[in-house]
Order: sequence, then structure tokens, then C-alpha cells
Amino acid sequence: SQTIHQWPATLVQPVGSPLSLECTVEGTSNPNLYWYRQAAGRGLQLLFYSVGIGQISSEVPQNLSASRPQDRQFILSSKKLLLSDSGFYLCARKMTGGSEEKLFFGSGTQLSVL
Amino acid sequence: AQKVTQAQTEISVVEKEDVTLDCVYETRDTTYYLFWYKQPPSGELVFLIRRNSFDEQNEISGRYSWNFQKSTSSFNFTITASQVVDSAVYFCALIERGYQKVTFGIGTKLQVIP
Repeated sequence: SQTIHQWPATLVQPVGSPLSLECTVEGTSNPNLYWYRQAAGRGLQLLFYSVGIGQISSEVPQNLSASRPQDRQFILSSKKLLLSDSGFYLCARKMTGGSEEKLFFGSGTQLSVL
Repeated sequence: AQKVTQAQTEISVVEKEDVTLDCVYETRDTTYYLFWYKQPPSGELVFLIRRNSFDEQNEISGRYSWNFQKSTSSFNFTITASQVVDSAVYFCALIERGYQKVTFGIGTKLQVIP
């Protein structure tokens, strides 16, 4: 199973509040994990990716951060949310090698910052 | 640097019409993978197809077909006899061998009108 658990499904937060979105995956150990954001009517923007525990690569400088405390856990955080943080957040894992080179996505979290 | 361009942001067709979604990519690598994903209104991205750079054979799967042409750096997606259930946002994506980043196009929103 390559199931990706992402929660919550929807979240409404006030500006300036903290954020923590959690993603856990099942299946093969040491997966590559990703956080993407999709703003309303826009494409997928890569925010962070991780190739292992404690290893985080940031693609877009902003007030978000990511952590990978365990092999199958990837957390997206913010200390103070901005209105511009609203969007649809997707966690993904990448299978690597041969015919398995592709991304699997979680069901996403719709974040509304008010 | 890798880049994916989907010039069509929105397309509307009448049910049973054929429709082609365009994807043009840029990469400096000779080995890479191309993907198409479907995002229905529910939000979760569904994998449709993966193509590696050494395989230029076109592929057909039911009403879906893909035309990969390295000479024009294009990987176009055609839906034959479109149906209302095909209404979704479709993303084209690229990853270069040895890289962890998967780059997505901005997506094409397809609306099939009954």
C-alpha cells in the first residue's frame, strides 16, 4: 500500500494564527516526500521536499516551514499565517526507480485564512 | 532548469467532441520522465500516465491517447468522445533523472458540456 494520510481535509484559520498540517505515508521506507500548494485557479507550486529524516529542501522562501521527524511523517507549519497562505495543500510521495518513478498524492487540505 | 508550459488555461467542449490538451516542456537532461495527472473537483490528483524520454511510442488507453514528440518537446493528451466525467483540471509534469523535484505545468481546466 502506498496510502497517504493527510489531515485535516478543511481548515479555517485567522490571520496570525499558527498552522500545522500533517502527512503520513504507508509502504516503502525512505520515500521522497513533497508539499505542494495550489492557490485558487492556479497551478501546483512546490513548497518543500524531503529525501530523508531531517532533510528538507525549500523551494519558495516564505513564512512556511517543513519538518520530517520520522521516515513516514512530513509536517508543514507556520508560526503566523498570512491571507496569502490560503490554498489547497497537497502532500505527495515519490516512488523511484524503473516503472515506479511517479508521484502519489494525498487527498489534500483546503486552508482558508480569514 | 526544467519547465512545463500548458498554454491552454481553460477549454470547453460539448460532450462527444474530441479535445487535445497541449504540453510543452524544457529540460537540459537527456533522461527524464513526463506525466499527466487529472484533478477532478474532489481535489485529489490522479495519475494518468508516465513516459520516459527514451520511449516515444504513442499510447492509447480507452478514450485517452498521448502523443510524445521529442523533436518539438511536446507531450500532448487527447480525449476522444469526451464525457462530462472528463471535466477536471489536467496537469502535465516533468522530472529529470537524478533530481527530486517534479515540476508541474499550470494546468488546463477542461469543461465538458452535456
